[in-house]
Amino acid sequence: QKEVEQDPGPLSVPEGAIVSLNCTYSNSAFQYFMWYRQYSRKGPELLMYTYSSGNKEDGRFTAQVDKSSKYISLFIRDSQPSDSATYLCAMNSGVYQKVTFGTGTKLQVIP
Amino acid sequence: DTGVSQDPRHKITKRGQNVTFRCDPISEHNRLYWYRQTLGQGPEFLTYFQNEAQLEKSRLLSDRFSAERPKGSFSTLEIQRTEQGDSAMYLCASSLAQGQPQHFGDGTRLSIL
Repeated sequence: QKEVEQDPGPLSVPEGAIVSLNCTYSNSAFQYFMWYRQYSRKGPELLMYTYSSGNKEDGRFTAQVDKSSKYISLFIRDSQPSDSATYLCAMNSGVYQKVTFGTGTKLQVIP
Repeated sequence: DTGVSQDPRHKITKRGQNVTFRCDPISEHNRLYWYRQTLGQGPEFLTYFQNEAQLEKSRLLSDRFSAERPKGSFSTLEIQRTEQGDSAMYLCASSLAQGQPQHFGDGTRLSIL
């Protein structure tokens, strides 16, 4: 079993829809949680960075962390065609420096 | 923009050849990381430097791989005697301090003929 599980999709939604992306994890040592966006042939771009359980909002993006369920989510409101990309969840313990990534969910927002 | 810079962007080489990649981190970041990403997968951690010291290495980093950061600024990743399985995107990231997020470059895509 992988430490971080993420549905690879693809996920296709109409423009303006609310998108929900999710990951589950098994390692209870994870303390820092991230969402990255990756366009084709580019590096991952940091979207959200959270520590501990709860919600964090930044513009159209909301990240949720539920440590008791080992479940994290990213919500995108009013989705745009420019949001079409692969979204990677990522996490680390803060003790070791390596970040463990999910496989990524490919999102397509249709105009 | 003074983000993480990687060179070259794409490297094509024959099996058995040696290749070297370079990473220039964000200027004030003293922590530097290398990852490898294959198609349809998330990045996998390879190694981590704090200043010039290599402090963490993954089991993925076989004897054919070596990374250096001689003056605590830029870093190089060398692969000796390349194999087909080395074909991947090699990503570099940097961060400012403990507990701060890692910021990635656009990677070097390695293709083995």
